[in-house]
Amino acid sequence: RKEVEQDPGPFNVPEGATVAFNCTYSNSASQSFFWYRQDCRKEPKLLMSVYSSGNEDGRFTAQLNRASQYISLLIRDSKLSDSATYLCVVNSPTGGFKTIFGAGTRLFVKA
Amino acid sequence: EADIYQTPRYLVIGTGKKITLECSQTMGHDKMYWYQQDPGMELHLIHYSYGVNSTEKGDLSSESTVSRIRTEHFPLTLESARPSHTSQYLCASSPSWGLANNEQFFGPGTRLTVL
Repeated sequence: RKEVEQDPGPFNVPEGATVAFNCTYSNSASQSFFWYRQDCRKEPKLLMSVYSSGNEDGRFTAQLNRASQYISLLIRDSKLSDSATYLCVVNSPTGGFKTIFGAGTRLFVKA
Repeated sequence: EADIYQTPRYLVIGTGKKITLECSQTMGHDKMYWYQQDPGMELHLIHYSYGVNSTEKGDLSSESTVSRIRTEHFPLTLESARPSHTSQYLCASSPSWGLANNEQFFGPGTRLTVL
């Protein structure tokens, strides 16, 4: 079982839709969590950190559920430019705090 | 924009050649990483470093080697390139402070093709 698991998708949604991605992690001692965005043939870039209390950045909302060991990303009012792969990232204490990237969830937003 | 650079951006080379992929960052980050990623596939960590003179192998076995003689520089070398090495290689760095709360900053990548 992978330490970080995501639904690979793809998610195909129309513009304006709300879409949610979930990610589960296996190590309950994990301490910090992030969502990265990777455009096709580009490098990953940090989208937002995920805090225990949940956090929002414009149309994007990230939440953490430590009891169930999952994090989520909600995108409201999807734009064409949101089309990308969204990577769930967890800092795990395995082997001295390793950063573990999920395989990513692909999102296609269509007009 | 992150101050992390990779050269070359694209490289097409014949089998058996020795190549070095360069990665430099000007942010003073102690930690640096090399990832391998095939198109549409997930990132695989192949090497990382906690600081000068520190190098560790990642999760994916790789025939490449790395060195960390200076904080800002983390080159990756393939002694004898093979077609199976064809992939995108992404370099990243992160600060050591803040314990686990580290964002990784990625370079633009080197797309390697071995014929």
